[in-house]
Amino acid sequence: GQQLNQSPQSMFIQEGEDVSMNCTSSSIFNTWLWYKQDPGEGPVLLIALYKAGELTSNGRLTAQFGITRKDSFLNISASIPSDVGIYFCAGRIYAGNNRKLIWGLGTSLAVNP
Amino acid sequence: NAGVTQTPKFQVLKTGQSMTLQCAQDMNHEYMSWYRQDPGMGLRLIHYSVGAGITDQGEVPNGYNVSRSTTEDFPLRLLSAAPSQTSVYFCASGDRINQPQHFGDGTRLSIL
Repeated sequence: GQQLNQSPQSMFIQEGEDVSMNCTSSSIFNTWLWYKQDPGEGPVLLIALYKAGELTSNGRLTAQFGITRKDSFLNISASIPSDVGIYFCAGRIYAGNNRKLIWGLGTSLAVNP
Repeated sequence: NAGVTQTPKFQVLKTGQSMTLQCAQDMNHEYMSWYRQDPGMGLRLIHYSVGAGITDQGEVPNGYNVSRSTTEDFPLRLLSAAPSQTSVYFCASGDRINQPQHFGDGTRLSIL
């Protein structure tokens, strides 16, 4: 099936550092969604992107819809301990009546205080 | 402020038993979906619905049935539980597929 390549798989950083992660595909997307999942909970939406080149911020988080429409990036600035969790990208492929989201496998983030 | 409500939160079944995982949303969303989450495999789509009376298969539909008789409810049925169905199950809803999907807190299911 179609795949999203999310990287890195895991990160261990010091508090205060910036974080970058990305998702790439060979397919063209018309929607990118970034989620965070805390242990024992469901994913929570962080940022939604709908146009190529779009750059959207949510506090210390910034995400971009790649200009080729095949990738997206999430940056976290000045990380804090509560940023710990798993970050997922999800996207909808631009293809007619496509009704499904495709998900990356997640980036596990650990922050050392 | 309920959002997406999943019940039960935990369940243990024996192989061969059947059960229904409940999902209800109070946001009048047309699109609802069920995922399973297993270690290292991310979220995999089981079934989805674009509105009452309309359902379709996702990536891993075998062993599961769904129905959508109302906008609010989207139950997931395990017909004959197997150990391979041990997982965490999430229900999600959104206005449309390309709109943000809101997730429930999950049902943790163990099959012995």
